[in-house]
Amino acid sequence: ETGVTQTPRHLVMGMTNKKSLKCEQHLGHNAMYWYKQSAKKPLELMFVYNFKEQTENNSVPSRFSPECPNSSHLFLHLHTLQPEDSALYLCASSQPAPGTGMGRGEAFFGQGTRLTVV
Amino acid sequence: DQQVKQNSPSLSVQEGRISILNCDYTNSMFDYFLWYKKYPAEGPTFLISISSIKDKNEDGRFTVFLNKSAKHLSLHIVPSQPGDSAVYFCAASYYGWGAGSYQLTFGKGTKLSVIP
Repeated sequence: ETGVTQTPRHLVMGMTNKKSLKCEQHLGHNAMYWYKQSAKKPLELMFVYNFKEQTENNSVPSRFSPECPNSSHLFLHLHTLQPEDSALYLCASSQPAPGTGMGRGEAFFGQGTRLTVV
Repeated sequence: DQQVKQNSPSLSVQEGRISILNCDYTNSMFDYFLWYKKYPAEGPTFLISISSIKDKNEDGRFTVFLNKSAKHLSLHIVPSQPGDSAVYFCAASYYGWGAGSYQLTFGKGTKLSVIP
């Protein structure tokens, strides 16, 4: 158990559906991330939230809409996805602490949601 | 263009021998390097890290070496055990002041198989 929980673990959705992925962490971290892992590709950063504020959108299409209501929860709302969006979506959290040498990118990951778009 | 590269998609090693996983990077802004381990159906878990001011960090059977001039790092596992069989991701980070957090960039991963 890494302290980061993602639901659902598996999701199959049609291209016209709307669904949401949920991530929850109880590690007291201030930064939360969405990553995408497609087959044979590196983990790709999608969004970064720091203290509930979105601080990075890595050129992600608008059919992916993140939401961070508080520093413990992160959602990824999905609508009108394409089959090529099928991938493993990973949530992570970390405690950024510049200058201290602590939490320098040691992100804790959830188990991921395996998404299939049909 | 990939900033973090793991050129070997897979590696097979006999149990008890040394496993060496390699990683190259291109961005000089990276100042912290990490290795993650991932089992099937699980998220990656942090394994070991090294700051750019060091050239070696050791934790039990795992040692990471950093060659800044060559922009190369490697993970050594000695002795290798069957339970080490997993995908290993190299990652590099720097502090993004605009984002206010450390930005991790991952390689594609190397699948290590330790043969009993």
